[in-house]
Amino acid sequence: AQTVTQSQPEMSVQEAETVTLSCTYDTSENNYYLFWYKQPPSRQMILVIRQEAYKQQNATENRFSVNFQKAAKSFSLKISDSQLGDTAMYFCAFMKQGGAQKLVFGQGTRLTINP
Amino acid sequence: NAGVTQTPKFQVLKTGQSMTLQCAQDMNHEYMSWYRQDPGMGLRLIHYSVGAGITDQGEVPNGYNVSRSTTEDFPLRLLSAAPSQTSVYFCASSYLSGGGNYGYTFGSGTRLTVV
Repeated sequence: AQTVTQSQPEMSVQEAETVTLSCTYDTSENNYYLFWYKQPPSRQMILVIRQEAYKQQNATENRFSVNFQKAAKSFSLKISDSQLGDTAMYFCAFMKQGGAQKLVFGQGTRLTINP
Repeated sequence: NAGVTQTPKFQVLKTGQSMTLQCAQDMNHEYMSWYRQDPGMGLRLIHYSVGAGITDQGEVPNGYNVSRSTTEDFPLRLLSAAPSQTSVYFCASSYLSGGGNYGYTFGSGTRLTVV
């Protein structure tokens, strides 16, 4: 079974700083997807970024980028020029390619952006 | 498009009562899942479905039933509510395209309290 670990329960940075959230996972699969989801205080789960394991190039979405290290089974999220609206819980998630398309989540990191 | 609609948003139950959490999606997504979110534990998979008429158990299925008679609807039934089922429940849906799976779309969640 796959497991996802987020070792930072809480983080706090100043507005406009860059912050990196860590995620590691354990799997014997070779083909899979990795995701970062954001959950603001509204409770809504929002997809931030997606990475396909077979792609060596790191995914980027505006101020959000990932550092995907397949051999190390590491998938960190970097938020550049952080904004107050980035304050949220962030969840890392794993999905095996093929089969039932099940998402496995990490425990989450609570990120606070301070003015 | 409404996306994934969950009802109710809040619910208080007494121990031993039963109820159904409703979930509907209008995106013709094949895959649907129910998760529960508890502090420090991320989101854990309760039940999932890979299509109409096909369901299976996830990580924490005890005390819950599901059915999927149509592509659109995926209700979650609590058979006899217990305080341990106090949680936030999310329904989510997904699909496969030529480029693979682009992640799940989540409903807005149901906060359930069992007293």
